[in-house]
Order: sequence, then C-alpha cells, then structure tokens
Amino acid sequence: DSGVTQTPKHLITATGQRVTLRCSPRSGDLSVYWYQQSLDQGLQFLIQYYNGEERAKGNILERFSAQQFPDLHSELNLSSLELGDSALYFCASSVGASGNTDTQYFGPGTRLTVL
Amino acid sequence: LAKTTQPISMDSYEGQEVNITCSHNNIATNDYITWYQQFPSQGPRFIIQGYKTKVTNEVASLFIPADRKSSTLSLPRVSLSDTAVYYCLVATMNTGFQKLVFGTGTRLLVSP
Repeated sequence: DSGVTQTPKHLITATGQRVTLRCSPRSGDLSVYWYQQSLDQGLQFLIQYYNGEERAKGNILERFSAQQFPDLHSELNLSSLELGDSALYFCASSVGASGNTDTQYFGPGTRLTVL
Repeated sequence: LAKTTQPISMDSYEGQEVNITCSHNNIATNDYITWYQQFPSQGPRFIIQGYKTKVTNEVASLFIPADRKSSTLSLPRVSLSDTAVYYCLVATMNTGFQKLVFGTGTRLLVSP
C-alpha cells in the first residue's frame, strides 16, 4: 500500500460525458501527478500540481483539466469523453516539487471505460 | 520530442542476472534517471534512481555512462516474483519547460 488513494476504482460511462477522478496523496506529500496508461500509448504524464499550483504539464488534452485543493487532494476532470479516453488513470504523489528527482508513490489507479 | 525507448520484452530464468537498457538521448541537464516496476493492475513502484556512474541498493543496480544518453537497470539473481514491467523515467526539455517521460516499458518474464 503506497498511501495514495484513488476513487473510484472503476468507471464506465458513455461518449460525450464528463467524469471526475479523485486522488488523495500520501500524508505530507505536496505534489500530485496524473498519468494515463493505455495499451498503445504506455504511461503518459498528464500534469503535476505542487502545493496547489500547476507545476508541470505533459500531454494533457484541452478536454481534460485538473486542480489541487487546499487539503492537497486533487481531481482530474475529463469531459466530452471519447472511446480513445478509455484507459487506466494513475495518480502519484511526492514530497517535493521535482517529479524526476523525488520518489513518486503511485495509487492503485482508476480504470475508465468509455462506451 | 525526444523518445525514451526500451526493449519490449525480455525472458530470463530464476537466479540469472537481468540487464534492461533505456535510451534517453534528450535527457535534461542535471536531471536524474529513475526506474519503476509495475505489476498487473497496480501502480508503478520505485526501484532505483541515479544521476551518473553507478548506484546500487538492496534490489538493483543502475549504470549510467558519462554521456547519460542511456541507462541500464541490473537485477541480480532474479526470482519469479520479479516478473513485471519495468519503466525508466527521465525529464526532457521541450521548448524551455520540463516534461516527465516514461520509457516504453520492458516486460520481463522470469521462468523456473
């Protein structure tokens, strides 16, 4: 158990819909990262927040948005969903602001299926 | 944009040493190389991290040449429980900002 929690575990929805994925970081961690993992794209970095502020941005679509709240939990919002958005979405957290020098602790993931 | 590439799969037997290489020819200066292990239906888990030369911990070693354009994860005496997918992670610079890039992943199968 990494100490990072994600809800829901599974999510099935239809094209065109909007969903929200939630992540609670490990106690004491200030950074939250979001990743998308699909069979054909591997692990793709989406976005990082550090202490409430956007820190780094990856291949995040304009239909996707995220935020980190004062209690440090984070939400990833996916809108106008397409079939290709079906994937595992992981959240990770770390103590500091640097995603490649700090150890990232990953949650169990949310499996999104778009029908 | 730089690609971070790894062999797709490797097979080994219990007790053997396994070396997995990651090519990252556009790594950002002063940034580290990190390796993660992922089991099915779980999130990746940290294995080891380094900047240059060699790093060793209780589970693995990491070899990084002077040009830092590649790195090699070495797993000594693998067991069946080492069957997993292994990813390298680097930061690359693209139009002035840093981006985290996971490698393509190497699926390691350890057989008895």
